[in-house]
Amino acid sequence: KQEVTQIPAALSVPEGENLVLNCSFTDSAIYNLQWFRQDPGKGLTSLLLIQSSQREQTSGRLNASLDKSSGRSTLYIAASQPGDSATYLCAARKQDNFNKFYFGSGTKLNVKP
Amino acid sequence: NAGVTQTPKFRVLKTGQSMTLLCAQDMNHEYMYWYRQDPGMGLRLIHYSVGEGTTAKGEVPDGYNVSRLKKQNFLLGLESAAPSQTSVYFCASSRPHDRVANYGYTFGSGTRLTVV
Repeated sequence: KQEVTQIPAALSVPEGENLVLNCSFTDSAIYNLQWFRQDPGKGLTSLLLIQSSQREQTSGRLNASLDKSSGRSTLYIAASQPGDSATYLCAARKQDNFNKFYFGSGTKLNVKP
Repeated sequence: NAGVTQTPKFRVLKTGQSMTLLCAQDMNHEYMYWYRQDPGMGLRLIHYSVGEGTTAKGEVPDGYNVSRLKKQNFLLGLESAAPSQTSVYFCASSRPHDRVANYGYTFGSGTRLTVV
């Protein structure tokens, strides 16, 4: 079974700081990995999707990397803003069953003004 | 651009009561999913459907039933609610998985269910 872990569970940083969120997975046979943002009381918004053949994806101030061999993905947020405050979740989809996404429990980010 | 719509948004049930959660999507997606989110445990897959008339069990299916009578709707039923089913329920949809063009999920905003 795929286990997805996110560390730290919570992170507080001052505005303007660059930061890295970590996601690790136990089974390297993944199809893709997706990063989501969840605001309090809201659903999940997709941020970045990395296929297993890719090393990284970028969208604005966000950059996600994928290293299948080490079972790790990172989400880099540049020049953080208070509006970035949210919970960030990563989810890995297995190669042998596309319909199963395994989610981490998330990192709750607080960016202080 | 509604995307994925879940109803109701909040509900309180007494133990043993039944209810149905509705998920509707307007993106013509083939695949639909029901997840539950509990504190510190991330999201866990309850049931999913790869097309109209089909359903399959996910990671935590016990105590739930689903139906996909129409492509755009995916219903999650609780026949006899238990306090352990207190959770936030999320529906998601996606296009069929294609190795050439890769698609992610679109999520609804969730249903917060409390069973007392």
